[in-house]
Parts: sequence; C-alpha cells; structure tokens
Amino acid sequence: GAGVSQTPSNKVTEKGKYVELRCDPISGHTALYWYRQSLGQGPEFLIYFQGTGAADDSGLPNDRFFAVRPEGSVSTLKIQRTERGDSAVYLCASSEGPHQETQYFGPGTRLLVL
Amino acid sequence: SQQGEEDPQALSIQEGENATMNCSYKTSINNLQWYRQNSGRGLVHLILIRSNEREKHSGRLRVTLDTSKKSSSLLITASRAADTASYFCATDDRKLIWGLGTSLAVNP
Repeated sequence: GAGVSQTPSNKVTEKGKYVELRCDPISGHTALYWYRQSLGQGPEFLIYFQGTGAADDSGLPNDRFFAVRPEGSVSTLKIQRTERGDSAVYLCASSEGPHQETQYFGPGTRLLVL
Repeated sequence: SQQGEEDPQALSIQEGENATMNCSYKTSINNLQWYRQNSGRGLVHLILIRSNEREKHSGRLRVTLDTSKKSSSLLITASRAADTASYFCATDDRKLIWGLGTSLAVNP
C-alpha cells in the first residue's frame, strides 16, 4: 500500500515568510510524528499526534512553529516568520497506534530559507 | 537533545565484509530501534529490540542490547554496496530520540 507522503519535496522561501508543510500518513495509522533533521545530524523530535490531538509538542522550538491534524489523518506543519536557522529536512512518520513502536517515514520536505 | 551516540561516526569497508556499529544511550528505555537512511532522506526501519531482549536477528542483521552498559550494536554480515547509508539508533520514549548516526560506505 501507499507509504507516508510529504509535500512539497523541496521548498525555498525568504526569511520572514510563512510556510506550510504537509504530511499524508499511512491510511489507518493513528499516530503521526514530525521531526526535523539538519545536515549531518540525527532527526530531532518536534511533535507527536495521537488522532487529532497533539499528545506531545515538547520538541517545537518556539511559538513560530505550529502543527495541526484536524481530521486525524493529514497533518500540516506551519512555520511563521521563517528564519535561516529553520532550514532543514522536515520528516513526517506514522505508526499504527501509540503502542506500535515502528514508525514509517516519509521522504521529507527539504526547506531552505534564504 | 540527542539520546543515542553511534560509534564509529564513519566506516568504510569492502563488499562481503562485516560491519559493526555501536550505539550508546543515556536513560532507561523500553526498546531501541535501528534505522537506515539513504542520501539524507527516507529513513527505513530495520529492527527493534526490546529492553528485556539481549539479541535479535533479521536476515543479515544482528542486534545486541546491553541495558547494564546502555549500549547496543548492529552487525551487518556479508555487506553489499547497497548497504551504503547512514545508520541511526533511536530509543523509544513515545517519540524517538536519535543519535548522530554512523555513515557506512561499502566499496564494491
């Protein structure tokens, strides 16, 4: 079946602009995760959804970052007033449920803030 | 903050050789997972070992876990050029906490 998809695959924006990154999880997966990965680093946890609610948003770096999952499926990560330091690959993953540990990752969105 | 630390940071071997990567972590865990990443994208789950397990096999992969030393190792036997990738360990705290990865190059 279809895996996790993310759009766009690449996004170039200017400092100060607003961006939205989309994640389509595997159908039926109730848990959804956002991570950020900088060059040469491991992924860094941002936020975790169980269903429609954010079960853990402790990884969001500041209030410029926000994510939603209004219908418990597709999720959007929103970044306001982008900064050059936000440049990274944003990864989305999903799992069957909160106690299903294996996460399935999308290909990521490469964000470049000029 | 990162939980795991993989060792070595980079490894270069010839096809057919075995590759061993190590991971150390800081806090108690429920399980530890290994993932592979090609070309900076596309993380793929390889294997999960639970805290009450000591060794697990999957095809050419062998994972060990020593909770007393807070460490794990991943062995890839009979390596292939297609195994060239970065390998990460991640510990489960509902959200995965990741190390910096080992970059493996398998030369034909």
